[in-house]
Amino acid sequence: IQLTQSPSSLSASVGDRVTITCRASQGISSYLAWYQQKPGKAPKLLIYAASTLQSGVPSRFSGSGSGTDFTLTISSLQPEDFATYYCQQLNSYSLTFGGGTKVEIK
Amino acid sequence: EVQLLESGGGLVQPGGSLRLSCAASGFTFSSYAMSWVRQAPGKGLEWVSAISGSGGSTYYADSVKGRFTISRDNSKNTLYLQMNSLRAEDTAVYYCAKPITMVRGGTDAFDIWGQGTMVTVSS
Repeated sequence: IQLTQSPSSLSASVGDRVTITCRASQGISSYLAWYQQKPGKAPKLLIYAASTLQSGVPSRFSGSGSGTDFTLTISSLQPEDFATYYCQQLNSYSLTFGGGTKVEIK
Repeated sequence: EVQLLESGGGLVQPGGSLRLSCAASGFTFSSYAMSWVRQAPGKGLEWVSAISGSGGSTYYADSVKGRFTISRDNSKNTLYLQMNSLRAEDTAVYYCAKPITMVRGGTDAFDIWGQGTMVTVSS
């Protein structure tokens, strides 16, 4: 199963609403997770089961979608949100990741 | 506190071998399937391999099948990745990762990651 993330990068300002999409090459129900990664650090789980917020993650992060099309939304971008975001399909092995979306400061 | 701590990375020549370890603590290790994920310098994440809680089932990415072997020692709460016939394209930070639940045989989001260990394949 291939995952295509878009865009691969974006520039945004603090307070902006940001949307990242992830498209699967075949249906994966709601078996999708989103991660945030900062330079030199391990990824951090944000969303699992497509729309369930991981404990401790701010509510400005939300996920939606099922089947083949998924979205990660940051409702109001904060300075600490500038990072790279990855989706991952969990429908079956192998557990492929999307190519990543780098969110940069405008 | 739930923790994963990788070790064993380093510099190895093409064609060489290396064994990575991941020491787990703070959870019932034997109840969880575990995975290895890698990230080449400046690149994205790539899932590498997974093993069931008992060790009886293993899974591999096509890119490492036949060269890498995942294993675990539940008495030592430790996960391993034996890497043989290493290639330059295996150069990456290798992370071990724990799934958020024990119910889906490892096909679940990773809520706990180690800090990673760097493997460099170069002559």
